[in-house]
Parts: sequence; C-alpha cells; structure tokens
Amino acid sequence: DTGVSQDPRHKITKRGQNVTFRCDPISEHNRLYWYRQTLGQGPEFLTYFQNEAQLEKSRLLSDRFSAERPKGSFSTLEIQRTEQGDSAMYLCASSFQDRGGTGELFFGEGSRLTVL
Amino acid sequence: QKEVEQNSGPLSVPEGAIASLNCTYSDRVSQSFFWYRQYSGKSPELIMSIYSNGDKEDGRFTAQLNKASQYVSLLIRDSQPSDSATYLCAVNLGYKLSFGAGTTVTVRA
Repeated sequence: DTGVSQDPRHKITKRGQNVTFRCDPISEHNRLYWYRQTLGQGPEFLTYFQNEAQLEKSRLLSDRFSAERPKGSFSTLEIQRTEQGDSAMYLCASSFQDRGGTGELFFGEGSRLTVL
Repeated sequence: QKEVEQNSGPLSVPEGAIASLNCTYSDRVSQSFFWYRQYSGKSPELIMSIYSNGDKEDGRFTAQLNKASQYVSLLIRDSQPSDSATYLCAVNLGYKLSFGAGTTVTVRA
C-alpha cells in the first residue's frame, strides 16, 4: 500500500501525558499537512511542511504542540501535557505541489486521541 | 463569516434518487475546489475536484462551480446505500484547504 500511513491509529492517554503521532506520506509528495477533526466538524488545519520546512502554523496550535519533518520524509506531531480538549482525530495528508496554491490532499486513516 | 459553509443536513434520500449538496465560500480568489466523502469513523476520501466554472461529471457524481456566486455543489445521481456518508466541501485558500462542517447523507432503501 503506497498511501499515507499514520501510527498509532488509536491512543488513549491520561491528562498531562505527552503523546506523539507519526505520519508517512506518499513518497513522491513534497507537502505534508496535519489537520485535527472533532465530531460533527470538518478537518481543521494545524500546520504544513514543504519538504522539511514547516511553512505555516495555525493560531490554534498552542505551544504544547510541535511538529517536525526531518529530511522531508515522515513527520511527527507531539502534544505535550495533554488536555481533555485535545481529544480528536489527528489527520495527516500529503500532496504534490510544484507552484503556489494547494492541490489535492490525500489523507491517512488518522490517529484518534482520547485524553482521560 | 465562515470560510466554507455547507447546508447542515442531514439529508435523507430514497435509493435511486438524486442527492444535492451545496457549499458556499467567502474568499473570492479561491481557484480550486474539492469534495471529499467521509464514512463514519474513517478519514476523508477525495471524490471530485473542480477548477473551472461549469459542470464536471465523474460517474454518478457531478460537481458544479459558479465562482461569481462563490458556490459549489455536488449531485449524486442514482443514490445507493453505499453513498451514505458525510460529504465535505473543501476550498483552496493559498497554502491550505479549508473544509466545511460537512453534510451527512443517508440513502434509504
């Protein structure tokens, strides 16, 4: 399967713990996105990378959230000191874009976080 | 004003009927538009993209775009029970896609 893969698929943690999610994008894609989705809402943009550079972060992304994409390949999203409000589906998506604008995004299966 | 708004639904249609979904967006400079399907508990799956005014057909799906009215729609013809899902409208806003809240469609047999 050469689609976007995410790990873990489900994570249950206690409030105050740190969690890390991993995303492996489609190999020829140069852009990687993180979105968050809660029940009844559409995906909400968090951040994106063009190759290894993190080019934009949403104002929603508090300083407890950090994302990396070393060497422009896989990406990790870490949430420190989790809060119950962080419970959501964290979606990774990738695309190929050789100029401005945004093309089609292809999503992974998501990582569902539950904070107790 | 929200960047992308969709009719709230839920939308219930009989099998074989046409389901009509609507979406409006606020940014006049948006150039690309997408429809995603999301089954319960799953991630969004791209089903249509449209870039020019007019209609674009792909199988039972037709996307319609009117940039002057800032309006995008999706028609699902001959609706099947397998079409029961939430449909998300997405609009290009520069470096990102902005999504609507989705419209849930139920196709009843």
